[in-house]
Amino acid sequence: AQSVTQLDSQVPVFEEAPVELRCNYSSSVSVYLFWYVQYPNQGLQLLLKYLSGSTLVKGINGFEAEFNKSQTSFHLRKPSVHISDTAEYFCAVSDLWAGGTSYGKLTFGQGTILTVHP
Amino acid sequence: GAGVSQSPRYKVTKRGQDVALRCDPISGHVSLYWYRQALGQGPEFLTYFNYEAQQDKSGLPNDRFSAERPEGSISTLTIQRTEQRDSAMYRCASSPTGHEQFFGPGTRLTVL
Repeated sequence: AQSVTQLDSQVPVFEEAPVELRCNYSSSVSVYLFWYVQYPNQGLQLLLKYLSGSTLVKGINGFEAEFNKSQTSFHLRKPSVHISDTAEYFCAVSDLWAGGTSYGKLTFGQGTILTVHP
Repeated sequence: GAGVSQSPRYKVTKRGQDVALRCDPISGHVSLYWYRQALGQGPEFLTYFNYEAQQDKSGLPNDRFSAERPEGSISTLTIQRTEQRDSAMYRCASSPTGHEQFFGPGTRLTVL
């Protein structure tokens, strides 16, 4: 069974400061990794994904994440945050496809609320 | 183009009533997923459809929960004899490949 742990439930930062949201996962098989963002009263939006290849993944809105297989981590970073980045962020994993069958069931962490203060 | 839509956006019902939650996926998306999100938690998988076939229902909590996608497009999640513990945000997602899921705005269910 897979599990995802987001180590911080809330992260307050000041505008233009750097931020890191931490995510660790456990799985017995190789996984795909995702970060989603949820703005108030909106659906989940994909920020970035790691499927294969380079372990440093760049996403939308200036976010990036690095896949570290040995530490089973996929931390999300942004060098300079804006007020508009205030939202809840979810890390998620899914198993690699089995036999070419499209599936992709996601297991989510509990979320990290990022609050950017002026 | 249009994204995933869900209706109703909010549903308040009395304990013991049945509810039906609708999901209209992005046109052409083969895969459809239902998740449930309790307050302060991440979404939890309920069930998965590949076209009209329900290929995984392992996340449905009990037999009061059922889902269908009869024509491989719109899906309905039905909860019979609702209980207060069923109160949550119910999220639907669709995907063309399974790699990237597009989520709808969710239905907030409150059982009184």
